[in-house]
Amino acid sequence: QVQLQESGPGLVKPSETVSLTCNIFGDSISNFFWSWIRQSPGKGLEWLGYMHHSGGTYYSPSLRSRLTMSVDTSQNQFSLRLTSVTAADTAVYYCARQGNSWSPYFGLDVWGQGTTVIVSS
Amino acid sequence: DIQMTQSPSSLSASVGDRVTITCRASQDIANYLAWYQQEPGKVPKLLIYDASTLQSGVPSRFSGSGSGTDFTLTISSLQPEDFATYYCQKYNSAPFTFGPGTRVDFK
Repeated sequence: QVQLQESGPGLVKPSETVSLTCNIFGDSISNFFWSWIRQSPGKGLEWLGYMHHSGGTYYSPSLRSRLTMSVDTSQNQFSLRLTSVTAADTAVYYCARQGNSWSPYFGLDVWGQGTTVIVSS
Repeated sequence: DIQMTQSPSSLSASVGDRVTITCRASQDIANYLAWYQQEPGKVPKLLIYDASTLQSGVPSRFSGSGSGTDFTLTISSLQPEDFATYYCQKYNSAPFTFGPGTRVDFK
């Protein structure tokens, strides 16, 4: 059974950079595309972008200038890096499995439990 | 980019009711649409993909229909565990935008 586990710093100061990691258990990162999604307190779901083990990425236009995703196939994990954070970036961040090894065009069928990021001084 | 809307934004229903939620895309997305359920404080769960295909393990009281720009999620007989927020998501092309959600609560 595939499981995803996010990890991150929890609290970040405004203008700083937050880095999150998603560890994959029970499957290889090479078998799928992988996405990040966030949910601000009391709000809906926001899809942030996806990445492939080859390094290919797509970032949401609203965050493209601040967002970077990367992969570490040796550790079977992928990461998100968001720069110049503000209070508006406070959210629960989820990683999820998207698509299959050759296509991201599918629903998000496996989700991590989420990691909370609070932006505050 | 394609925008996703949902209606209603919230509804009140009783156990046993038939519930229908609508999702609309601003452009044709064929059948590249998924539905998710998120119970309060929990992780979203994939219910339906490709507009009408039930994800493994999802009860058959859930069904999806539609193609192009208009889609529906139907719960044939609402159960206590179905009180949650439901989101649609398009994935024909990136960005894979979610709808704003529909909250289903007790009447």
